[in-house]
Amino acid sequence: ETGVTQSPTHLIKTRGQQVTLRCSSQSGHNTVSWYQQALGQGPQFIFQYYREEENGRGNFPPRFSGLQFPNYSSELNVNALELDDSALYLCASSLISSGSYEQYFGPGTRLTVT
Amino acid sequence: QKEVEQNSGPLSVPEGAIASLNCTYSDRVSQSFFWYRQYSGKSPELIMSIYSNGDKEDGRFTAQLNKASQYVSLLIRDSQPSDSATYLCAVKSNYQLIWGAGTKLIIKP
Repeated sequence: ETGVTQSPTHLIKTRGQQVTLRCSSQSGHNTVSWYQQALGQGPQFIFQYYREEENGRGNFPPRFSGLQFPNYSSELNVNALELDDSALYLCASSLISSGSYEQYFGPGTRLTVT
Repeated sequence: QKEVEQNSGPLSVPEGAIASLNCTYSDRVSQSFFWYRQYSGKSPELIMSIYSNGDKEDGRFTAQLNKASQYVSLLIRDSQPSDSATYLCAVKSNYQLIWGAGTKLIIKP
């Protein structure tokens, strides 16, 4: 167990809807990264939050947005859902000041868009 | 576009043998490298991190890094059926991790 939690575990949405996914980071960690993982592929970096600000973003459109709260927990919001958004969404926490950059994952949220 | 390449497999290894997993990367300035294990339907689990050229051992696992050749490998000794999983290589590039697509490892009893 990594101490990183995510909710919900599974979610089914309809195309065009909006979704919010939540993540609580491991105690003592100050950075949260979000990933999208399609079946048979490696995780794709969406963005990273450090001290409540986005400090890095992958090749995802603006309809993917996020927040980080003072307790370092985080949300991923996706607007105008598309069928291709169906995937496993992973949250990973790390301690950026440690220099090691080891990331620890939560169990993920399986999103299905119909 | 910075890339991390892995053979998708499946790699089939008899129980008790050594499993060897390889990964190459394109970003020459990368300094941090990671191996994760992912069971089907689960999230990735960190196995090893390596930052310096050479070998790093942790139990049955050995990570090997060669920055000049831009490859990193993972050896699993005394392979067990419970080692059957997909193994993901990740490379730190700037502020993010770049991931390979993973190698599926099957340990045959």
